[in-house]
Amino acid sequence: EIVLTQSPDFQSVTPKEKVTITCRASQSIGSSLHWYQQKPDQSPKLLIKYASQSFSGVPSRFSGSGSGTDFTLTINSLEAEDAATYYCHQSSSLLYTFGQGTKLEIK
Amino acid sequence: EVQLVQSGAEVKKPGESLKISCKGSGYSFSTYWIAWVRQMPGKGLEWMGIIYPGDSDTRYSPSFQGQVTISADKSISTAYLQWSSLKASDTAMYYCARRAGGGGYFDYWGQGTLVTVSS
Repeated sequence: EIVLTQSPDFQSVTPKEKVTITCRASQSIGSSLHWYQQKPDQSPKLLIKYASQSFSGVPSRFSGSGSGTDFTLTINSLEAEDAATYYCHQSSSLLYTFGQGTKLEIK
Repeated sequence: EVQLVQSGAEVKKPGESLKISCKGSGYSFSTYWIAWVRQMPGKGLEWMGIIYPGDSDTRYSPSFQGQVTISADKSISTAYLQWSSLKASDTAMYYCARRAGGGGYFDYWGQGTLVTVSS
């Protein structure tokens, strides 16, 4: 099973700040890494597919990068509505896994 | 419009059985994989397994193999997650999600079904 480790687990940030969340895979997964946002009491929503491709309708301040084992989700100019937990997810094989999540708190 | 609509919240006792559902609409249900994802209270997302409704090909996470059964009825565009004997530790929100055609990511999610197991 491929283990995904996110960092940090929690981050308190101010509006307009730039935020970087990382996801490290226990083995190479190419670009088969996706990012989701989950707000309290809501279902997760897809932000980024295949490491760097923005999903339809996602604000341009969200971007992704990386390949192999190291990946990054970047949020430029954070907005209050971005308070949420962010998860990475790998689909390198049909035994999918998620990272443990990174909770963003807006100061 | 693509939609995944899940069945309502359940309250069960330990040892009881349960089957929850996820009905797809707005697309060709048979030709997209449907996954189930668990979220225990205050915790993260856990991938449980996935099914291809067209031929019922099913894969399970090792953590959930033997603990749950995933099935689908393509004639009514519905996927299921079932337990034969619930435990208190099965208390969680359960989401279904559609795997994008030709991709490994989940592009549409159900609203979630809360399962509470308590004596």
